Amino acid sequence: EVQLVESGGALVQPGGSLRLSCAVSGFTFSRHWMSWVRQVPGKGLEWVANIKEDGSEKHYVGSVKGRFTISRDNAKNTLYLQMNSLRADDTAVYYCASLRGFGGYDALDSWGQGTLVTVSS
Amino acid sequence: DIQMTQSPSTLSASVGDSVSITCRASQRISNYLAWYQQKPGKAPNLLIYKASVLESGVPSRFSGSMSGTEFTLTISSLQPDDFATYYCHQYNTYSYTFGQGTKLEIK
Repeated sequence: EVQLVESGGALVQPGGSLRLSCAVSGFTFSRHWMSWVRQVPGKGLEWVANIKEDGSEKHYVGSVKGRFTISRDNAKNTLYLQMNSLRADDTAVYYCASLRGFGGYDALDSWGQGTLVTVSS
Repeated sequence: DIQMTQSPSTLSASVGDSVSITCRASQRISNYLAWYQQKPGKAPNLLIYKASVLESGVPSRFSGSMSGTEFTLTISSLQPDDFATYYCHQYNTYSYTFGQGTKLEIK
């Protein structure tokens, strides 16, 4: 059974940092690109970042470039999102998701349950 | 970035009805388009990829089509479990974008 389990969400002050983790099981993590997608409660989905199978290529939405870093540890089957200089508009549920096929252009076929990040003083 | 304009934002229908949701891309994206269903408090669930390919396990009452830069999700014979929010998603570039969502409500 495929499982993606996020952790690390918390209440953090503006300007603070947080690292999210996503533990993966049930498929060959090292063969798939991975994504982070976020959702402000009650609002729509926003793609945040993608990372290639080996971590050698990364892409970000413009609003997080220079502040967020996506990474992965294939030995631990874990995806990360390091979030620095957090702002109130980063408040959202953060989901990790796997790309369906083997490549960087694909639908997201498995998702975690999400972890809530709240940025507030 | 590619913009995805999804309509309608809200749709009211009854069990047994057939409904359609549309997404228009701001530029050509080939068939790199997916549809997801999301229920309150849950993660999105992939329904369709490559514009018209049904994900394994998804009921056949869901179907997808495309014409140029316009993409349509059709749900025939609505079931009670289908009332949820639906999103389109383009993955033609590394900068993914989602539609704004369509909330399908019971009339």
